Amino acid sequence: EDQVTQSPEALRLQEGESSSLNCSYTVSGLRGLFWYRQDPGKGPEFLFTLYSAGEEKEKERLKATLTKKESFLHITAPKPEDSATYLCAVQAWMDSSYKLIFGSGTRLLVRP
Amino acid sequence: DAGVTQSPTHLIKTRGQQVTLRCSPKSGHDTVSWYQQALGQGPQFIFQYYEEEERQRGNFPDRFSGHQYPNYSSELNVNALLLGDSALYLCASSLRGKETQYFGPGTRLLVL
Repeated sequence: EDQVTQSPEALRLQEGESSSLNCSYTVSGLRGLFWYRQDPGKGPEFLFTLYSAGEEKEKERLKATLTKKESFLHITAPKPEDSATYLCAVQAWMDSSYKLIFGSGTRLLVRP
Repeated sequence: DAGVTQSPTHLIKTRGQQVTLRCSPKSGHDTVSWYQQALGQGPQFIFQYYEEEERQRGNFPDRFSGHQYPNYSSELNVNALLLGDSALYLCASSLRGKETQYFGPGTRLLVL
């Protein structure tokens, strides 16, 4: 069964304390892996798309990496404004078409 | 450049009623996807519209239906509402052939 698992479910960091979020996936025909940020009560905001193992992308304090079975979102020296839920999604081949499958997210809280 | 817009922002209905949610895609996008997000969960794919036709469908009953207009805007209709339909309904737009989807702010539906 195709699935996406994110860990940890919740993460509390002190401002400046770097860490990583994990997204592991079991899908057939992976076309792309996406990271989104979601603030409470709002829609997900696109961060990155990764297509192949070994690929890396960066944006400010965030860096996303991809292997054949998982992706990591590294947060370097986080600030309180980085507090949000981070969602991982994979575009997988299902029922003769590509579909986007989301994980349950990691809720990040960065304390000043 | 306007992003994805959705209306209304909030909605309260009672069991058995019907509801219509609306979405305008990001400028230049021609594909609209709808998702249901329960509290604390990742978005679940409902269906996708392109060229005014439903192209893909997730594991949702026929009570969920949709429509896409020539200007690419879209509607999500839910009939015979159940308490379990209470959720944040998200619309995402993309350009056919491009994988990245951009989300709107969502419509929060509460069924009493």
